[in-house]
Amino acid sequence: AQKITQTQPGMFVQEKEAVTLDCTYDTSDPSYGLFWYKQPSSGEMIFLIYQGSYDQQNATEGRYSLNFQKARKSANLVISASQLGDSAMYFCAMREDRGSNYKLTFGKGTLLTVNP
Amino acid sequence: NAGVTQTPKFRVLKTGQSMTLLCAQDMNHEYMYWYRQDPGMGLRLIHYSVGEGTTAKGEVPDGYNVSRLKKQNFLLGLESAAPSQTSVYFCASKDPGLPNYGYTFGSGTRLTVV
Repeated sequence: AQKITQTQPGMFVQEKEAVTLDCTYDTSDPSYGLFWYKQPSSGEMIFLIYQGSYDQQNATEGRYSLNFQKARKSANLVISASQLGDSAMYFCAMREDRGSNYKLTFGKGTLLTVNP
Repeated sequence: NAGVTQTPKFRVLKTGQSMTLLCAQDMNHEYMYWYRQDPGMGLRLIHYSVGEGTTAKGEVPDGYNVSRLKKQNFLLGLESAAPSQTSVYFCASKDPGLPNYGYTFGSGTRLTVV
C-alpha cells in the first residue's frame, strides 16, 4: 500500500482563487510529520509547510495552510489567492518517527497550473 | 554558506559506463539522502547516511553504491549505467533549522543514459 497518495495528477485554478491539493497517508506510527514541497519548472525543491501528528492546530505559512484531518489521514494543502508563480509541481511527504532516521516518503505529486 | 551542492548538474552516459555524483553540504548536517525523481513516480529514496562512515539502503538501491568518507560529502556511484537509471537525482540533508527537521535539497542532477 502506498504510504502517501496524491490523487490529482494535475489541477487548474484561476489567478486569485483558492485551491486545495489533496494528500492522504497511511501509517501505524502514532508520531509522524507531514510536509509539502513545491517544485517549480526550474527544478529545485522548496519546503512550504510542516504539520506534526500531535499538533493541535492546522499549520499555516502565509498563503499556505495545511488542512490536517487526523482521523481521515489526510493532509491537504490549501493555497489562498493563487498567483501565477504558484504554477509548479507539489509534493506531499511523510516522515514516520519510529526508527525512520528522518527518511521522507513522497507522493507522486500534483502539477498545479494557475491561469491568468 | 552554499547549502547543499550537487555536481554535475547534467550528464549523458552510455550504457555500461560508470560515474559518481557528488553531494556536498557545508552545514555540518549528520543525515544525508539520495533520491531519484521520475515522471509520475515522485521522489524515491536510493540510499542514505546517518553520519560519517555510515550508509544504508533506501527504497530503490539496486544499481547504486554510496560512500560517506567525510561528513560533508555523500557520493552516489553508478558502476554500470543502464537506461533505467535515466532520472533526476536529488541529494538532501537534514536541516535542524527547518520545522521538525525538514530537508535542504540540492538543485538536482539530470542524468541521461543512452
